[in-house]
Amino acid sequence: DIQMTQSPSTLSASVGDRVTITCRASQSISSWLAWYQQKPGKAPKLLIYKASSLESGVPSRFSGSGSGTEFTLTISSLQPDDFATYYCQRETFGQGTKVEIK
Amino acid sequence: EVQLVESGGGLVQPGRSLRLSCAASGFTFDDYAMHWVRQAPGKGLEWVSGISWNSGSIGYADSVKGRFTISRDNAKNSLYLQMNSLRAEDTALYYCAKDKLGFLEWFTFDYWGQGTLVTVSS
Repeated sequence: DIQMTQSPSTLSASVGDRVTITCRASQSISSWLAWYQQKPGKAPKLLIYKASSLESGVPSRFSGSGSGTEFTLTISSLQPDDFATYYCQRETFGQGTKVEIK
Repeated sequence: EVQLVESGGGLVQPGRSLRLSCAASGFTFDDYAMHWVRQAPGKGLEWVSGISWNSGSIGYADSVKGRFTISRDNAKNSLYLQMNSLRAEDTALYYCAKDKLGFLEWFTFDYWGQGTLVTVSS
């Protein structure tokens, strides 16, 4: 099975900061990677698919990049609504990255 | 509007069975693969099982293989998860999720239900 590893596990940042989350796959997954945002008590929300395609309705401050085994999710200017937990996924999910207020 | 509504969760003793259902509406159900994803209390997301549009391709996480069975009824726009030999570690909120594709290829979930809670305890 392919293992997905995210870093960091927790990230403290301020509104307006540029934030980057990394996801590594245990073997090459080409560009078959998705990113989700989850807020407490809510279902996950798809942000990015095929590594870099922005899901409809998702703000353009979110972007994804990478291929093979290393991927990144970038939030160009962190907004108050962005404090949440983020997961990468290729079948299995990464362990999550919690973005907290600094 | 796409809606996914899970049902069938509850409290069950270890070793017993439970069947979850997911009622879908607002899209052409038989065009898309469907999945079950679970989240234990305070933990991360775990993909459980997926089924292609025509039930021709099915996959399971190693943790549930041989105990859980996924199925769908396209005439009823419904997805199911039969869970047998339940264990304490199966305790979780179980989400139904729609794939962007009809095949088990992208594993990209664009719509999710609100989940149904399964608690396995004596």
